Amino acid sequence: DAGVTQSPTHLIKTRGQHVTLRCSPISGHKSVSWYQQVLGQGPQFIFQYYEKEERGRGNFPDRFSARQFPNYSSELNVNALLLGDSALYLCASSRDGASTDTQYFGPGTRLTVL
Amino acid sequence: DQQVKQNSPSLSVQEGRISILNCDYTNSMFDYFLWYKKYPAEGPTFLISISSIKDKNEDGRFTVFLNKSAKHLSLHIVPSQPGDSAVYFCAAKEWDATNKLIFGTGTLLAVQP
Repeated sequence: DAGVTQSPTHLIKTRGQHVTLRCSPISGHKSVSWYQQVLGQGPQFIFQYYEKEERGRGNFPDRFSARQFPNYSSELNVNALLLGDSALYLCASSRDGASTDTQYFGPGTRLTVL
Repeated sequence: DQQVKQNSPSLSVQEGRISILNCDYTNSMFDYFLWYKKYPAEGPTFLISISSIKDKNEDGRFTVFLNKSAKHLSLHIVPSQPGDSAVYFCAAKEWDATNKLIFGTGTLLAVQP
């Protein structure tokens, strides 16, 4: 079975631009979460979606938004990019998003903002 | 503030010996703890977890110990293998409606042949 897939793998943008990152969960998984990993730090929670509804939001500005589609895939959007948005963006899927549900991570999208 | 701390950025052990990775937390509302392993250019891979109602969980070569009074957990790998060389993240979560994980900063384990 395919794992969590993310696209693109790498992305280079300039300050002020907009970016859309995409994630396809494991087949049968209904919950998707997004994390940001800055160099030298652990992943930081951005959003969780379950059945197309936002279930949780981390401490990120409103420039960050996400949505989940009927096929459970998800998009993370970041507007007005800043240099500090340069990071590895990880998507994780889980079966039903329950508290102790194991999350499986994709390989990530490396975003560089110049 | 860092709610989950991994104070050792790196650890080097010999193949066949025990690797012990440590993690401390400050939030007493955490009730579920996990360890993930991460290779370069890959996402984190789930290793093992433990609920706050237990003090030990074992899965093959991996054992996690939880000391709630000290707010400390550790991951033991016995015996260590070169393929275990990776960054290990400790993560924790509160019992709530989300599956939000709070990660530590990671420990780079190098297992020398």
